Amino acid sequence: NAGVTQTPKFQVLKTGQSMTLQCAQDMNHNSMYWYRQDPGMGLRLIYYSASEGTTDKGEVPNGYNVSRLNKREFSLRLESAAPSQTSVYFCASSLRVSSGSTDTQYFGPGTRLTVL
Amino acid sequence: GENVEQHPSTLSVQEGDSAVIKCTYSDSASNYFPWYKQELGKGPQLIIDIRSNVGEKKDQRIAVTLNKTAKHFSLHITETQPEDSAVYFCAASIRNSGYALNFGKGTSLLVTP
Repeated sequence: NAGVTQTPKFQVLKTGQSMTLQCAQDMNHNSMYWYRQDPGMGLRLIYYSASEGTTDKGEVPNGYNVSRLNKREFSLRLESAAPSQTSVYFCASSLRVSSGSTDTQYFGPGTRLTVL
Repeated sequence: GENVEQHPSTLSVQEGDSAVIKCTYSDSASNYFPWYKQELGKGPQLIIDIRSNVGEKKDQRIAVTLNKTAKHFSLHITETQPEDSAVYFCAASIRNSGYALNFGKGTSLLVTP
């Protein structure tokens, strides 16, 4: 099992450009998440998908859109990149067997994005 | 959103000593508290977690304690080794979120030989 994979690993964009960050998991997990990590800020939730077919906003959703393409894949799109979106982006997934229980989130290796 | 406060932000210990990292949370509905270790250039990896119906959990040199009344939880690492050097994050589950997490800002632990 590869676990959670993310592409690309690195990306440089100019202000106003768009791009999509890809995430896939092969653990048959139900829930998937996108976080951003900035120096001294920990990880902040951008969007999450509790199950296939649903998506919800997290703490910092502005400037982003997501698509839960199928059970395996959850993409994050920046429509018009801004320097404030320079960050490391992590995708995570969890099994979430039943409502009322929280289970382990497994993280991908991250995408390092710079917006000039 | 609800906050998770983590202290200290940096911690330096000598090999063999113990390290303690403390977190407080504000959401009384939080019921799951994981700890992650992040090495340079990698994603966070779970090292231990605790649920709200348990006060303490131990796994070899690592232990976590939870005080739900006071809304704080701590990570204890005993007999530290240089390979324990990393950034450690605490987190607390977010109510009604599909089980997403609120993270602390991290503690950079350095274990010197």
